Amino acid sequence: NAGVTQTPKFRILKIGQSMTLQCAQDMNHNYMYWYRQDPGMGLKLIYYSVGAGITDKGEVPNGYNVSRSTTEDFPLRLELAAPSQTSVYFCASSRLTGLAFEQFFGPGTRLTVL
Amino acid sequence: QQQVKQSPQSLIVQKGGISIINCAYENTAFDYFPWYQQFPGKGPALLIAIRPDVSEKKEGRFTISFNKSAKQFSLHIMDSQPGDSATYFCAASNTGGTSYGKLTFGQGTILTVHP
Repeated sequence: NAGVTQTPKFRILKIGQSMTLQCAQDMNHNYMYWYRQDPGMGLKLIYYSVGAGITDKGEVPNGYNVSRSTTEDFPLRLELAAPSQTSVYFCASSRLTGLAFEQFFGPGTRLTVL
Repeated sequence: QQQVKQSPQSLIVQKGGISIINCAYENTAFDYFPWYQQFPGKGPALLIAIRPDVSEKKEGRFTISFNKSAKQFSLHIMDSQPGDSATYFCAASNTGGTSYGKLTFGQGTILTVHP
């Protein structure tokens, strides 16, 4: 199992450009998440999905969009990139089977918007 | 009410010492409290977790202490090693509500263990 994979690892964007951060998992997990991590701020949830075709906003969704057409893939779209979107982005997945659950994280994408 | 506050922001400990990281929460509906460990350049990974029906959980050198009345929980790392140097995040979830599966993370603590 590759677990959770993310591409690209690094990216530099100019203000106003758009891009898609790719995320895939091979663990057949129903839940998937996108977080951003800024220094001293912890992990903030951007969007999450409870299954194919179902997505919902997290704490900081503005400027981002997601789709979930398959169980495996959960891409994050940035439209009209802004310097405030400079961050490290993590994708995660989880299978919820009880009162405790574990989120498995990908290696992250470091995005710089100049 | 969804916040989880974590302290300290950074911590330096000598090898063999005890590292203690604290978290406080406000939402009394939270009923699952995991700790995640993150090494530089990697994603976070689950370290240990606790539910509020117990006051302490120990796994090897790592122990979670939980105080329901104070709405606080802490991570203790005994006999700290240089390999424990990482960023630690506490988190909380309401597994019985509509936010089941979602975690609210603390701000993180950068732990450095000197040899």
